[in-house]
Amino acid sequence: SQQGEEDPQALSIQEGENATMNCSYKTSINNLQWYRQNSGRGLVHLILIRSNEREKHSGRLRVTLDTSKKSSSLLITASRAADTASYFCATDYSGGGADGLTFGKGTHLIIQP
Amino acid sequence: DTAVSQTPKYLVTQMGNDKSIKCEQNLGHDTMYWYKQDSKKFLKIMFSYNNKELIINETVPNRFSPKSPDKAHLNLHINSLELGDSAVYFCASSQELAAELFFGEGSRLTVL
Repeated sequence: SQQGEEDPQALSIQEGENATMNCSYKTSINNLQWYRQNSGRGLVHLILIRSNEREKHSGRLRVTLDTSKKSSSLLITASRAADTASYFCATDYSGGGADGLTFGKGTHLIIQP
Repeated sequence: DTAVSQTPKYLVTQMGNDKSIKCEQNLGHDTMYWYKQDSKKFLKIMFSYNNKELIINETVPNRFSPKSPDKAHLNLHINSLELGDSAVYFCASSQELAAELFFGEGSRLTVL
């Protein structure tokens, strides 16, 4: 399977703490994206990082990409109860086929108030 | 204005029935998708259309047939529904293949 794998599968932290989720993938990519899914809702795009980029920021979100290790991390700083959601990484593989994005299984993040 | 809208939101039906889910996007995107999310939240691409042309057709039963009457619409018709078809089906769109996806709110299909 070419899908990414998020780690951990579930994470529970106290409000105000930082949350870090990791994603590993198997083959070369064009870009990697992170999405959030609140319970019962559709996925919402957070950040896209290209294969030639190492780090991107958006508000309280920081994404890193290490293509040599085929891994990415999503850091949410100063977490809030509203950050409780599932977070997915999605990869655009550079194999040349029209495969679209391949999603991982997600990390379920719970922020305890 | 809802960017990607899909109907119905909930669908409960008996095995063997035929059902359709409709999707419309008002973002002017060229590419639309159907994804299936199972009970473990695993999201798998089913189909993708670019300007009404099928470009991704993953290994799904041929009971599933997408139809794109124009580039703003991508409908999913399912024949002879089976218990294993129970899932949440998401429509999405993007400006181009593998760019940022905009998802609908999902259609939860329950087959009894």
